[in-house]
Amino acid sequence: GDSVTQMEGPVTLSEEAFLTINCTYTATGYPSLFWYVQYPGEGLQLLLKATKADDKGSNKGFEATYRKETTSFHLEKGSVQVSDSAVYFCALTETSGSRLTFGEGTQLTVNP
Amino acid sequence: EPEVTQTPSHQVTQMGQEVILRCVPISNHLYFYWYRQILGQKVEFLVSFYNNEISEKSEIFDDQFSVERPDGSNFTLKIRSTKLEDSAMYFCASRRGWGTYNEQFFGPGTRLTVL
Repeated sequence: GDSVTQMEGPVTLSEEAFLTINCTYTATGYPSLFWYVQYPGEGLQLLLKATKADDKGSNKGFEATYRKETTSFHLEKGSVQVSDSAVYFCALTETSGSRLTFGEGTQLTVNP
Repeated sequence: EPEVTQTPSHQVTQMGQEVILRCVPISNHLYFYWYRQILGQKVEFLVSFYNNEISEKSEIFDDQFSVERPDGSNFTLKIRSTKLEDSAMYFCASRRGWGTYNEQFFGPGTRLTVL
């Protein structure tokens, strides 16, 4: 079945550092890929998405590129802020509108 | 901005008791979902619901679970006889339509603790 694997966490960075959170996936078909973010006490929010190979999703300075050859969708940000501290989830869906399959989540803490 | 709401935020119950978790999806959304996250584990899909019936369910969603949209605004998840292993954060989600351009909007979750 489908699966998503994220890098082992948690991640602690200083403000303005470069962020990479790795995500790889296994899917039988041609999935759409997502990054969700969960701030403390809140629900999961869609951060960015990509629906086909080589698509780059971007939002709020975060980027991720759909790499079919390496089955990856790594999340990057050039300069993190304290307000980026949250849990980040990589996810996929095989069919438009169907269930989301999530990775383990990565806790990011950014220190001033 | 419209949002998905869930009540209660935390529910504590005794093993074997029935619990009902409540969700109010965004008003013009048509597709509804429940997910759960056991502490330290992945967020897992439980069930999806459309047009007043279950459209998809996972192997976790056994006969102890049921969902209902009783009044056109609420969407509930019932666990008939809770087990210790049902302790988890339960997330409700909704989406307006089909297709990945219609994202799933999540509620803040209900933390269920089974003693």
